[in-house]
Amino acid sequence: QLQLQESGPGLVKPSETLSLTCTVSGGSISGTIHYWGWIRQPPGKGLEWIGHLHYTGSTYYNSSLKSRVTISVDTSKNQFSLKVTSVTAADTAVYYCARRGGSGGSRYFDYWGQGTLVTVSS
Amino acid sequence: QSVLTQPPSASGAPGQRVTISCFGSNSNIGTNNVNWYQQLPGTAPKLLIYSNNQRPSGVPDRFSGSKSGTSASLAISGLQSDDEADYYCAARDDSLSGVVFGGGTKLTVL
Repeated sequence: QLQLQESGPGLVKPSETLSLTCTVSGGSISGTIHYWGWIRQPPGKGLEWIGHLHYTGSTYYNSSLKSRVTISVDTSKNQFSLKVTSVTAADTAVYYCARRGGSGGSRYFDYWGQGTLVTVSS
Repeated sequence: QSVLTQPPSASGAPGQRVTISCFGSNSNIGTNNVNWYQQLPGTAPKLLIYSNNQRPSGVPDRFSGSKSGTSASLAISGLQSDDEADYYCAARDDSLSGVVFGGGTKLTVL
């Protein structure tokens, strides 16, 4: 059974960089048609897609966050990561990593991590 | 303001049928498949319906999805107390070149 687990600091200071890692177990990130992504949810609010990537390096980002976001992959560790620069209180959220499964025109987030709360505060 | 529009709340009595709508545009629902996610309190979202009307293994057939034009619907029949959750629709948006979610609908079982 595929499992995803987020890890990283729970508290980040304003203007600094938020860094999270998602470790995938029970399956390989590489050699598949699937994508790997990040979604966030501010407290009490809805879901926001951040971006996703393919192990070959193709990346897709939310245009509203693109200038501050980088998603990368480390196939040797079966992990992928998220960096958000110049964070503000508005970046406070539960961050989820997820697999974007399916194929072609039918893609969806079918496996999710449990989520990790990141608070931006001095 | 979400790109996909959902009612903020819905409710129904146990055993009843409830429908949750999701309105979009030609660049998202009008051209792409719709997926639905269920988020139980304090947990991560779970894929409920994919490709408009397909249920992943393990999802009861009480849950069904449909799409027509630029709108989609999630129907839940035989409502149970365990169905109390937030429900989100999502689709790819070709104009934005990314994934968009609805604002979510909080379902209350009376």
